[in-house]
Amino acid sequence: GESVGLHLPTLSVQEGDNSIINCAYSNSASDYFIWYKQESGKGPQFIIDIRSNMDKRQGQRVTVLLNKTVKHLSLQIAATQPGDSAVYFCAETPGTYKYIFGTGTRLKVLA
Amino acid sequence: EPEVTQTPSHQVTQMGQEVILRCVPISNHLYFYWYRQILGQKVEFLVSFYNNEISEKSEIFDDQFSVERPDGSNFTLKIRSTKLEDSAMYFCASSDDPGGNSPLHFGNGTRLTVT
Repeated sequence: GESVGLHLPTLSVQEGDNSIINCAYSNSASDYFIWYKQESGKGPQFIIDIRSNMDKRQGQRVTVLLNKTVKHLSLQIAATQPGDSAVYFCAETPGTYKYIFGTGTRLKVLA
Repeated sequence: EPEVTQTPSHQVTQMGQEVILRCVPISNHLYFYWYRQILGQKVEFLVSFYNNEISEKSEIFDDQFSVERPDGSNFTLKIRSTKLEDSAMYFCASSDDPGGNSPLHFGNGTRLTVT
């Protein structure tokens, strides 16, 4: 979803459930995409990336899906844990020397 | 694991003063970036830097801002005359590729408070 001012969209999930975080990117020329996790008081931390010649990539407990037709990216987290609580950002690269971040989604893991 | 380090972690300054935010990128990286994040908002691109010159900059990066790589390890962001609206977290990042092949690695930021 879209964020307005200080209000980030929030996803609340039960511990152990799977999480799906969505991102709509803006530039059809973007050919590389990254998901970042940002914990309070820290910088964005790399989670997983994907190039435009792929539509799915898996990591440890995370999967990124790319749909270029509708310019949509998603991050799936399996068996969500309390330590996954953070703000998640997608980023796209519409060209060299520039990575553009999306608006972010706050993930809250409920015990 | 190599990391990007930023100092200070928190800087308080008065409006109109100059500030310099410092960063030590990962040692074998060649591409350097500054981003800004106003509290609770998105991470905004400011500038990218390669081979001792600015590669790209955003509309936020006006004449009040400048970047420099004064030696082989440091990368700095200077704000000449700070305004209240410059209050934000400033993140430095580096990569070994300009885009399309590897992610940016970020420091933990400098919180700038302009009073």
